[in-house]
Amino acid sequence: GDSVTQMEGPVTLSEEAFLTINCTYTATGYPSLFWYVQYPGEGLQLLLKATKADDKGSNKGFEATYRKETTSFHLEKGSVQVSDSAVYFCALKVNTGNQFYFGTGTSLTVIP
Amino acid sequence: EPEVTQTPSHQVTQMGQEVILRCVPISNHLYFYWYRQILGQKVEFLVSFYNNEISEKSEIFDDQFSVERPDGSNFTLKIRSTKLEDSAMYFCASSEARGGSVSYTFGSGTRLTVV
Repeated sequence: GDSVTQMEGPVTLSEEAFLTINCTYTATGYPSLFWYVQYPGEGLQLLLKATKADDKGSNKGFEATYRKETTSFHLEKGSVQVSDSAVYFCALKVNTGNQFYFGTGTSLTVIP
Repeated sequence: EPEVTQTPSHQVTQMGQEVILRCVPISNHLYFYWYRQILGQKVEFLVSFYNNEISEKSEIFDDQFSVERPDGSNFTLKIRSTKLEDSAMYFCASSEARGGSVSYTFGSGTRLTVV
């Protein structure tokens, strides 16, 4: 079936450190891949997405590349800030469907 | 930026009681959804709703659950007789369109605690 496996948290980094949150997927169809972010007290917000292999989604300094050969969509940021502290969710939807399949979420705390 | 609003943010209820979780989707969106996340587990799909009827539901969404759009703005999830295992964060979402590449706008969630 369709599923997402996401790096376990919590993750604690110092400001300006490099961030990677791993995400791999299993899909029966040809999925679109998403990263959502949840800041404290807020809803899940779309951070970035990619709809086909080798596409790179990017937003707010975050990037993720859709790698079909490794079935991965790892989230990266070169230099994290305290304001990036949040929970990050990797998710997929197959192109014939409407249902999101989420990972468990990875909590990130950035310390000054 | 338009938001999906959920109320209450936290609800505590006794086992066996009925609860109604409320959501106000984005006004021009046509498709509505409920998801939940049990602590430490994945966010799971419950149900999708379009044109005043359920369009898709998961195995979790049994006869204890129901959804309704009672007026032009609200979208509710009712659990008839709550169980301890219904304790979770419930997220409402809405979207303008359907399809694999379409993203949803999610609310901030209602944390339901059944005691």
